[in-house]
Amino acid sequence: DQQVKQNSPSLSVQEGRISILNCDYTNSMFDYFLWYKKYPAEGPTFLISISSIKDKNEDGRFTVFLNKSAKHLSLHIVPSQPGDSAVYFCAAAPGSARQLTFGSGTQLTVLP
Amino acid sequence: NAGVMQNPRHLVRRRGQEARLRCSPMKGHSHVYWYRQLPEEGLKFMVYLQKENIIDESGMPKERFSAEFPKEGPSILRIQQVVRGDSAAYFCASSPDTVYGYTFGSGTRLTVV
Repeated sequence: DQQVKQNSPSLSVQEGRISILNCDYTNSMFDYFLWYKKYPAEGPTFLISISSIKDKNEDGRFTVFLNKSAKHLSLHIVPSQPGDSAVYFCAAAPGSARQLTFGSGTQLTVLP
Repeated sequence: NAGVMQNPRHLVRRRGQEARLRCSPMKGHSHVYWYRQLPEEGLKFMVYLQKENIIDESGMPKERFSAEFPKEGPSILRIQQVVRGDSAAYFCASSPDTVYGYTFGSGTRLTVV
């Protein structure tokens, strides 16, 4: 039972354009959401997070949007750069617990 | 300030042998987490530890797997009598007291032959 789903295994975007990565969740207890970026042979790197009391959080080129009623979150990267090419994982946690539930990841390729 | 250190980076074991994976958390971090990533899948939570205590092991297989985080030294994930299905990347992460966005190590890639 996948509680966090990333339905697009891959996404290709032209350099300078916007990348939109999507994530859906089913567990209503989740109230904290994170995005991680992962390069091959490395560990995931924390990018940005959002708690359920917000619907948007920005950090430079990265913005995360949360739609609680739809149980959907998205990560926007603008403008996209070739160095953004990596696998992006969304993750979620309920307030009282520390373990994260990860999606299966989306491979983003930014074409020069 | 070194990050989360995991060793070895690669580990090859024959079926039936034991695998020991080590994780040294970031300085000042007292919480350690182990995750496993099977090929083409996301990371799956295994266990959460603080010094000398297992806080949550709900993701650990019931047999052959154990974890510890002693008062001195690194956290150890031990897999006894490894099988081919144990082949995966094992990631350790650490955090200070209250932060969710914890820091991951580079992982140990276990191959069982």
